[in-house]
Amino acid sequence: DGGITQSPKYLFRKEGQNVTLSCEQNLNHDAMYWYRQDPGQGLRLIYYSQIVNDFQKGDIAEGYSVSREKKESFPLTVTSAQKNPTAFYLCASSRGLAGGPLSEQFFGPGTRLTVL
Amino acid sequence: SQQGEEDPQALSIQEGENATMNCSYKTSINNLQWYRQNSGRGLVHLILIRSNEREKHSGRLRVTLDTSKKSSSLLITASRAADTASYFCATEIYGGATNKLIFGTGTLLAVQP
Repeated sequence: DGGITQSPKYLFRKEGQNVTLSCEQNLNHDAMYWYRQDPGQGLRLIYYSQIVNDFQKGDIAEGYSVSREKKESFPLTVTSAQKNPTAFYLCASSRGLAGGPLSEQFFGPGTRLTVL
Repeated sequence: SQQGEEDPQALSIQEGENATMNCSYKTSINNLQWYRQNSGRGLVHLILIRSNEREKHSGRLRVTLDTSKKSSSLLITASRAADTASYFCATEIYGGATNKLIFGTGTLLAVQP
């Protein structure tokens, strides 16, 4: 089956700890994205990557880091510098071309991170 | 504030009725997309309308786009209980070497059986 997977589904972290969220896709998409969703606020873009070994900050990148060493994988690290990390994190991918029908994004099932 | 703002924030209707959700945005766009999200799940793409299109249909979905008013609407006809979900509009803007989707805050639709 082609798709995008995220793990784990639920994650608990103590304050001061870094944690890495996994995102893998087998859709052969060039572009990958990380979003954060808080109740009543929609999705906000954290980081995105259009190609391997390259990524750009989104609107709320502070306290987060990413890597894109492989086309299929785009892990997100939530660092201890992120002041309010409890949220629902969504990973997405697309073919990455600007405009037109190819920019549809495919989403993973999400990871719910709770800081204790 | 968000590029996309949906209206209403919440909508409750009976099965069989039509549901209309509106989206307004601020800047020029390449296209506008609608997504659906069931509670606690990822988003699913529903329909994309390009900036030079005015109306598009897909099954029970009808989307309109008015670029002069910077607004779009999503109509779901003959709604079913299974349509209960949050619906988000997302505007694609071109940022030089890449494109980004900016999501609105969503409309929570509840369809009562």
